Amino acid sequence: NAGVTQTPKFRILKIGQSMTLQCTQDMNHNYMYWYRQDPGMGLKLIYYSVGAGITDKGEVPNGYNVSRSTTEDFPLRLELAAPSQTSVYFCASTSVPQSGNTIYFGEGSWLTVV
Amino acid sequence: GDSVTQMEGPVTLSEEAFLTINCTYTATGYPSLFWYVQYPGEGLQLLLKATKADDKGSNKGFEATYRKETTSFHLEKGSVQVSDSAVYFCALLNTGGFKTIFGAGTRLFVKA
Repeated sequence: NAGVTQTPKFRILKIGQSMTLQCTQDMNHNYMYWYRQDPGMGLKLIYYSVGAGITDKGEVPNGYNVSRSTTEDFPLRLELAAPSQTSVYFCASTSVPQSGNTIYFGEGSWLTVV
Repeated sequence: GDSVTQMEGPVTLSEEAFLTINCTYTATGYPSLFWYVQYPGEGLQLLLKATKADDKGSNKGFEATYRKETTSFHLEKGSVQVSDSAVYFCALLNTGGFKTIFGAGTRLFVKA
């Protein structure tokens, strides 16, 4: 059981470039999330989705976009990369969060913008 | 809005020492409370949880009790090991919500 899979694991981008972080889960979870984790800081929610075709902004959405065309996939797009987007990105999913269910995290994607 | 505050790290302990990591929360209603652990180079994984007041979550020798009167969910372990070195995150999910709120994380170093 693969769980939540993120790619790539590491990436260096130049300022102004664009890229997509891929996330897929095989647990049939409706809820999916993208977080960023800056050094020594907690997790900040970028975007989330409550089901296929539905997405919404989190705390720090500027500079990012998402889509959710299928239940399994939730890619995060960075447009015009900036040094402030250097961070570790985590994708996560869960089934029924309202029941206190566990959130499953991917292993993270380390992004450096130079 | 809802928030989680946990003690700043890093916390450095010798093997077999007693561990406490404090966590307090602010929330309306009756949230579920969680501790997640992040080992170096990995994503977060659930350590334990409690979904109502006075519940005790426990796993791998770690415990935390949901105290509504003090709005706290402190993490404890009686005897830490080097392998417990990690970052620990306290988190809450409010009733009917679907966005988990995370604390800033507390890094634990355990020396042999």
